[in-house]
Amino acid sequence: NAGVTQTPKFRILKIGQSMTLQCTQDMNHNYMYWYRQDPGMGLKLIYYSVGAGITDKGEVPNGYNVSRSTTEDFPLRLELAAPSQTSVYFCASSYGESNEQYFGPGTRLTVT
Amino acid sequence: AQTVTQSQPEMSVQEAETVTLSCTYDTSESDYYLFWYKQPPSRQMILVIRQEAYKQQNATENRFSVNFQKAAKSFSLKISDSQLGDAAMYFCAYKAAGNKLTFGGGTRVLVKP
Repeated sequence: NAGVTQTPKFRILKIGQSMTLQCTQDMNHNYMYWYRQDPGMGLKLIYYSVGAGITDKGEVPNGYNVSRSTTEDFPLRLELAAPSQTSVYFCASSYGESNEQYFGPGTRLTVT
Repeated sequence: AQTVTQSQPEMSVQEAETVTLSCTYDTSESDYYLFWYKQPPSRQMILVIRQEAYKQQNATENRFSVNFQKAAKSFSLKISDSQLGDAAMYFCAYKAAGNKLTFGGGTRVLVKP
């Protein structure tokens, strides 16, 4: 049981490039989330999903897209990377919205 | 919108002693959940303790306990018998039904040997 896994661990992008951050959970959780954490700050919700085929915006969705074709996977897409998207990205999952969220190890993204 | 405030950017504690981290939140909801998460240098977010607002009894997990004051909208975390491994960022978080998890800005805990 690996929990929540994220790839890659680190990535450097040039302005305007695109990339997909991968997230997979093997706990059969219905809820999945993407957060970003800027230096010295708490986490802010980008997008979330309550089940396969259903996604919704969080607090800071601009510049990102998500999809949820399976229960296990919840990729986050950056289409035109900007320096403001330099951050650490965390994926999380939970069984039901009120239960504990389990977090992945994070992806450190730098856009230059 | 709900807000969570952690007024202490950094706290220092001697090994084996006790430290208390403050957290206040703003909400008009009566039913909600509060959490403390620990983030060590590895960046992994780890749940330390959870409190349901409808429960009057304060949650306890080994050396970690909370002081939940619903009327004051306060949710402090006490770490007893501090250990070197407790050194980390600690985040307070709030969640009401139908809403998403909202995090405070964090408190860095330093443990001195």
